[in-house]
Amino acid sequence: QQQVKQSPQSLIVQKGGISIINCAYENTAFDYFPWYQQFPGKGPALLIAIRPDVSEKKEGRFTISFNKSAKQFSLHIMDSQPGDSATYFCAASMSGTASKLTFGTGTRLQVTL
Amino acid sequence: DGGITQSPKYLFRKEGQNVTLSCEQNLNHDAMYWYRQDPGQGLRLIYYSQIVNDFQKGDIAEGYSVSREKKESFPLTVTSAQKNPTAFYLCASTNPGTVRDTQYFGPGTRLTVL
Repeated sequence: QQQVKQSPQSLIVQKGGISIINCAYENTAFDYFPWYQQFPGKGPALLIAIRPDVSEKKEGRFTISFNKSAKQFSLHIMDSQPGDSATYFCAASMSGTASKLTFGTGTRLQVTL
Repeated sequence: DGGITQSPKYLFRKEGQNVTLSCEQNLNHDAMYWYRQDPGQGLRLIYYSQIVNDFQKGDIAEGYSVSREKKESFPLTVTSAQKNPTAFYLCASTNPGTVRDTQYFGPGTRLTVL
């Protein structure tokens, strides 16, 4: 049973544009929502994370927007660069579950020149 | 230089063979995890361990086994009972309760069944 749905599956954005990736979750007990970035042949690396007590978190060009009532959260990449081309995964976890993460299916982002 | 190491990077297995994937961390993390990654399916949890000599099944544990004899090591054995083992395997670790749920991942092992 997939508990975190991610879209789109792939995304092509021009350099300088805004990349937006969306995730929706079902389990209201989730209380931690990280985003991971993965380059081909490498392990994922934590990009940015948010907890449901805030609606937005920004770190450099990366912003998470969180809508608790809609059970949705999204990643915005401002001024997208070719070096941002990677696969992005959203994830969710809940307290008391040994930090287990439930991942979305991933979005392959390509930033063109 | 702290981190997670996985070996080998590439592994080829004949049908009917068991193979063991290595995962070592020097981050002094208590919890360790094994994930399987297939195209279009994201990461799925195989097994996880919160302390030495203890581990729990994840969502897709069938055909796999693990051990946790040392804090820094969490090897994964892919047994012949795993019907479709070709995948990219990722090991991760974290210290629950600190920067909670920040799982650090290793570079992965790509397993191919011949």
